[in-house]
Amino acid sequence: AAGVIQSPRHLIKEKRETATLKCYPIPRHDTVYWYQQGPGQDPQFLISFYEKMQSDKGSIPDRFSAQQFSDYHSELNMSSLELGDSALYFCASSLENRGRGTEAFFGQGTRLTVV
Amino acid sequence: AQKVTQAQTEISVVEKEDVTLDCVYETRDTTYYLFWYKQPPSGELVFLIRRNSFDEQNEISGRYSWNFQKSTSSFNFTITASQVVDSAVYFCALSGNTGNQFYFGTGTSLTVIP
Repeated sequence: AAGVIQSPRHLIKEKRETATLKCYPIPRHDTVYWYQQGPGQDPQFLISFYEKMQSDKGSIPDRFSAQQFSDYHSELNMSSLELGDSALYFCASSLENRGRGTEAFFGQGTRLTVV
Repeated sequence: AQKVTQAQTEISVVEKEDVTLDCVYETRDTTYYLFWYKQPPSGELVFLIRRNSFDEQNEISGRYSWNFQKSTSSFNFTITASQVVDSAVYFCALSGNTGNQFYFGTGTSLTVIP
């Protein structure tokens, strides 16, 4: 079965650079989530989209933005990168959540290292 | 406010022992959903189980079992006859009846010693 695809898997950037992370949800899934997981930390919710519209917003810095495109893939854009942005970034997708508690399936993550 | 607490930070057991991972949650929603995810050393988050707040039936899947008790706001996870491949970080998560967001606990790192 198709899973959530994230690219790239690893990314190294310098401080103040920009980065774009991509996420391709499971086919027919209409909801996409972005999470950030620092070393030894639990995943922190950044933002979610339902049917290409922003649904919920968590602790996403103003330097970050995200969108979901017409083909349902999503991109997380990160600017003015800081050392503290180094983390594992997960994308997840689910079908018709909107408070129905459908499980989310996670991608393998993008490991971002800011040097 | 939604909150998930996993008080056990690290657990070590010897192979074939049983182990229970605790999860306590807080929510004001009358309908909510609970999940367990496994994060092996390779890093991906693997979905294990979902439970509705209105379904308190315990569930068993092979060596895994889950005990959901609304009275104590707990959703504990037991691995029977643990194996080395069970070594991972296990996260309990909560989703409410509005919005699209999962609230994760801080995770329990399980090490199964051969």
